[in-house]
Amino acid sequence: QQQVKQSPQSLIVQKGGISIINCAYENTAFDYFPWYQQFPGKGPALLIAIRPDVSEKKEGRFTISFNKSAKQFSLHIMDSQPGDSATYFCAAVKAAGNKLTFGGGTRVLVKP
Amino acid sequence: DTAVSQTPKYLVTQMGNDKSIKCEQNLGHDTMYWYKQDSKKFLKIMFSYNNKELIINETVPNRFSPKSPDKAHLNLHINSLELGDSAVYFCASSQAGRQETQYFGPGTRLLVL
Repeated sequence: QQQVKQSPQSLIVQKGGISIINCAYENTAFDYFPWYQQFPGKGPALLIAIRPDVSEKKEGRFTISFNKSAKQFSLHIMDSQPGDSATYFCAAVKAAGNKLTFGGGTRVLVKP
Repeated sequence: DTAVSQTPKYLVTQMGNDKSIKCEQNLGHDTMYWYKQDSKKFLKIMFSYNNKELIINETVPNRFSPKSPDKAHLNLHINSLELGDSAVYFCASSQAGRQETQYFGPGTRLLVL
């Protein structure tokens, strides 16, 4: 049973385009939603995170949008660059728990 | 000055063997984790330790046994390796109560033949 569902599985974007990755969760006890970025051969690294009391958070070219009523959140990568080519994972965590629940990942390829 | 380090980076072994993976973090974190990433890139938590105490033990076969000699180290021992154990194993750490911000090691690529 996958508690965090992520789509699409893969994405090809032209340089300068917008990459959009969507996630949906089921457990309303989740109260923090980070995104991790993983380059080939490396471990995941925290990219950006949001709490459900905020509808949007922006850091540079990366923006998280959050829809609490729909239990959905998304990552937008503006002006996508070849260096953004990586696998992106959404995740969710409960404050009372001690683990991250990851989505299935999205492989993003930005073509020059 | 590596934050989370794992050894070995690659591990190729025969079915039925026993192997260990070591992890160390120099971030002063209290909580450490082991994850398994399969060939489809799906990341699944296996274990979590807080101050050397096991706090998460997901549905993992008994052949996998974590050991935390101190809060900076979390090792993973695997007995009787099976083909399905082939994966990338990641160690991670976080401050206590800050599980949303985890620092991952570079991974250990295990191939069981």
